[in-house]
Parts: sequence; C-alpha cells; structure tokens
Amino acid sequence: DAKTTQPNSMESNEEEPVHLPCNHSTISGTDYIHWYRQLPSQGPEYVIHGLTSNVNNRMASLAIAEDRKSSTLILHRATLRDAAVYYCIPGTYKYIFGTGTRLKVLA
Amino acid sequence: DGGITQSPKYLFRKEGQNVTLSCEQNLNHDAMYWYRQDPGQGLRLIYYSQIVNDFQKGDIAEGYSVSREKKESFPLTVTSAQKNPTAFYLCASSMGVEGSTDTQYFGPGTRLTVL
Repeated sequence: DAKTTQPNSMESNEEEPVHLPCNHSTISGTDYIHWYRQLPSQGPEYVIHGLTSNVNNRMASLAIAEDRKSSTLILHRATLRDAAVYYCIPGTYKYIFGTGTRLKVLA
Repeated sequence: DGGITQSPKYLFRKEGQNVTLSCEQNLNHDAMYWYRQDPGQGLRLIYYSQIVNDFQKGDIAEGYSVSREKKESFPLTVTSAQKNPTAFYLCASSMGVEGSTDTQYFGPGTRLTVL
C-alpha cells in the first residue's frame, strides 16, 4: 500500500514555475513532510521540509494543504539543473523513497 | 568541508566474491543508513544504525552485513549470498533526532556490477 502518491513524470519549460504535487492522506498529525531530489547518477539531496504552514528556502517553497493530506513543492523558476527525480516523504516513512516524480526541464 | 564519502565510485566483482563498500561521514551524525537502488526504482533500506555498535535490518538485509565500530564509519559488505547484487548503493547519515524532523544526507553512491 502506497504511503504517498506522486505523478510519475512532469515537464516544465526553463524559467517557468513548477508545481510538484504529492498526496499523503495517511500522514499522522506530527509527521513533517520532507522533499528530496536526486539528480542523475547522484545520491538524493534534501530540498525542504515542513509541518503545517508554508515553508520557503533558497531552493524551493513548500505549500501544505490545510488538512495536511497533500503538499506541493514549488520551484519558482525551473532551470536545466533542476531536472531530477523528486521524492515526497512523510516523516513516519522516512526510510521509504518511492519512485518519485521525474521532472524534465525543456530549454 | 563536511559531508559523506563513499568509495569506490564504481566497483566490479566476480560472482561468488564478497565485497565491502566504504562509507565515512564527518558531520558528527549519530545515525547512518544503507540503501540499494535498482534502475528506474526508488531506494530500499538495507541496514541502519542509530548509535555506535548497534544496527538494525531494513527491508532487504538478506545477503548483506554491516558494522558500526566508529561513529564516522558504516561499511557494508555484499556477500556471495546476495542473489542479485548489481545495483547502485547509497549511504546516508542523519542527526538521529527523535520525531520526524530528522533529515538524511546522502553520499555520492557506489555502483556495483557483478560480472
């Protein structure tokens, strides 16, 4: 049984914003939502995490739904270097990296 | 420069041989992890350790062994009992704090190919 649901793949044009969705309907009330990304042939890297309110850092923004059953990772201006697989992970399942969303950025 | 190092980057071994993958961190993290990734798939947890001299099996520990004699080091041995060892192996570490705020930091990975 899947703990999160993410689209298999998405495309974006360079310099445009990208919204990567994640459904995590079984998340517990105290679970943080983590996002990681994995560039080709590299290890995953941390992107952002949050609990209830929206979060921003230099890499991205995280918008969390009021009921916490879904969240959206926002890349404000996609670049070619953002092409990667993005993983959404509720804290309880921090050892489970599913197949994520493969983001393709078009020049 | 703090981080996690894995060596070697590429490793080839003959069928039936044991091989040890190195993982070192200088982040002063208590917890360390080993994952396996097959092409087009997500990561699967092999073993993890939350403190020196202690470790737990993950979802796919069969055919693998680990040790944690030092805080900085968490080597993984792929034994001949592992039926399909060709994969990309990733090591990670984290502070190991309680609750779900703990963030993992990953090494660059070792790509193991069994000939």
